[in-house]
This record gives sequence, C-alpha cells and structure tokens, in this order.
Amino acid sequence: AQSVTQPDIHITVSEGASLELRCNYSYGATPYLFWYVQSPGQGLQLLLKYFSGDTLVQGIKGFEAEFKRSQSSFNLRKPSVHWSDAAEYFCAVGARDQGAQKLVFGQGTRLTINP
Amino acid sequence: DGGITQSPKYLFRKEGQNVTLSCEQNLNHDAMYWYRQDPGQGLRLIYYSQIVNDFQKGDIAEGYSVSREKKESFPLTVTSAQKNPTAFYLCASSRTGASTEAFFGQGTRLTVV
Repeated sequence: AQSVTQPDIHITVSEGASLELRCNYSYGATPYLFWYVQSPGQGLQLLLKYFSGDTLVQGIKGFEAEFKRSQSSFNLRKPSVHWSDAAEYFCAVGARDQGAQKLVFGQGTRLTINP
Repeated sequence: DGGITQSPKYLFRKEGQNVTLSCEQNLNHDAMYWYRQDPGQGLRLIYYSQIVNDFQKGDIAEGYSVSREKKESFPLTVTSAQKNPTAFYLCASSRTGASTEAFFGQGTRLTVV
C-alpha cells in the first residue's frame, strides 16, 4: 500500500535560515509526488510537484524539492525562510487504486519561524 | 474565477443529527474528493468520485455518505453513526490521472455540541 512519512512533526527555524523538510514515501510504481502548504484554518495550496525528468524541481515562493529514488525521499528545501513561511507542510504521493486516482498524504510538518 | 467552494466555513451540530457539507467546483474536473483533517494525523480520505454517479469509499468512510449527481457538486453527509465527527473537512478536485494535482477548497470546520 502507498504511504508517506514526514518524520518531523514540528520544526522551528530562524528567519533567514535555510530549511529542509523531510518526506519519505512507499509506492511500488513510479511515484507522482507533491508538496502542499496550509495556513491555519485554510485549504491546501500546491507548492511543487514531481512527475518525471529532472529530479530537482522548482516551486512557488522560492521552494524546491529533490527526488531521490534510491532513498525513497522527496525533501523540500528553501535557502532562506521568511516569517510568512510559517505554516503546515504536507507531502503527498499520487497513486492509482483499483483504476482510480487518489492522493495519500503524510502527517504534516508544522513550521515555526523565530524572528 | 475558477475554484472550489465549500460551505459553510463553520458548522455546529448536536449529537444525533445528520449534517451535509457542500462542495462545488467550476474547474470542469472529473474527480472530486473529501478529506478529514485532525491534528497530527494529516489528511485522511473519506470518499472520492472519478465520474458522475459513481464514487468509492476511502480509508475512513464509516459514518459518512456522499452523492455525485452533477459534475460540479460532491456533497458530504456526516451521519449520526460517525462516532467522532468534530474535525476540519476538506474538499478537493482534480483532472483524472495520478499525475495531476488536486485543488482544495477552504474547508469546513464541524463541531459537535
């Protein structure tokens, strides 16, 4: 069965520092991978996605992620965080189940920014 | 503007009552989904639909029901059989195919009082 693990429930970084959020997935076929961001009480917004090709993908708001098949990972990075990046981040894998598509999400990582 | 509209944003219900959450999209997407979000548990799939008049149970379908009579609409009913219905509910839609991203509504927070 498909699954996604985000090992870090909560991360705190200082404004201007670099950021890396970890994501590991389990899926037998070629994975379709996504990172979403959620502000409190809001819906989810897509940051970036990986389908094939270049393993380093660029997203919105200065985020990037690197797909590493050998490690079953898709970690999210940002060189310098801003206070507005404080939010919850979700990694997801797109999977087919009995002919239908669905997204399987990790538990999320809550990001706090220190001024 | 195209998007997904969930209503209401906040909903209160008494124990033993059924309640229906609305989800409408004008993105012309075939697939629609309902997720439940609880603190520390991420998003769990309740029901999904790939086409009108067809839907499948997700991982936590017990105590919920859905219908898909129109492409644009995918309402979720939380029945009295749902043991712990207080949660944040998110509706999403997408084109079909595992490689397409989902677009989310702003969510409905349901509280049982």
